[in-house]
Amino acid sequence: AQSVTQLGSHVSVSEGALVLLRCNYSSSVPPYLFWYVQYPNQGLQLLLKYTSAATLVKGINGFEAEFKKSETSFHLTKPSAHMRDAAEYFCAVSVSGGYNKLIFGAGTRLAVHP
Amino acid sequence: EAGVVQSPRYKIIEKKQPVAFWCNPISGHNTLYWYRQNLGQGPELLIRYENEEAVDDSQLPKDRFSAERLKGVDSTLKIQPAELGDSAVYLCASQASGGIGGELFFGEGSRLTVL
Repeated sequence: AQSVTQLGSHVSVSEGALVLLRCNYSSSVPPYLFWYVQYPNQGLQLLLKYTSAATLVKGINGFEAEFKKSETSFHLTKPSAHMRDAAEYFCAVSVSGGYNKLIFGAGTRLAVHP
Repeated sequence: EAGVVQSPRYKIIEKKQPVAFWCNPISGHNTLYWYRQNLGQGPELLIRYENEEAVDDSQLPKDRFSAERLKGVDSTLKIQPAELGDSAVYLCASQASGGIGGELFFGEGSRLTVL
């Protein structure tokens, strides 16, 4: 069965520092992978997705993620953190079977301090 | 374009009481999902609709939960009776079609507290 593990429930970085949020997946078939962001009191918003095209995926707000099959990882990065990036980030895998059933990780809360 | 609209945003009830949540998806989106998000966890799928048909309700606790999507547009999720463990945020999401890899658009959620 497909699953997602996000390493680190809380990550804290300084403004301007590199952001690295880790995600490992388990899937018996080639996966579709997503990163969603949830700002306080808002719904989840898609940051980026991997759908078997380029392994380096660029998303909104300067975020990108690299699909590494050998490591079963899909880590999210941003070169320079902004205060507005403070939010909760969820990695998700889409279960095969012809439709978009998402399995979410537990989330990583990103704090950005001055 | 309006996003996914959910109501109420917050609901506090006593255990054994009924509660209902309403969702209006993005216009034209055929696929609708209800997710439950427990504190400190990621969302978990409860039910998925294609138009008015519930095509995946395998994770819906059918003894107390029910859902409907009449006419394939708005949807209602009901809990009767509510239990303490039902305290969570209930998220509605819609998708233009149910194809794998597509983007889900989420509402702001309905936060339920059961006392």
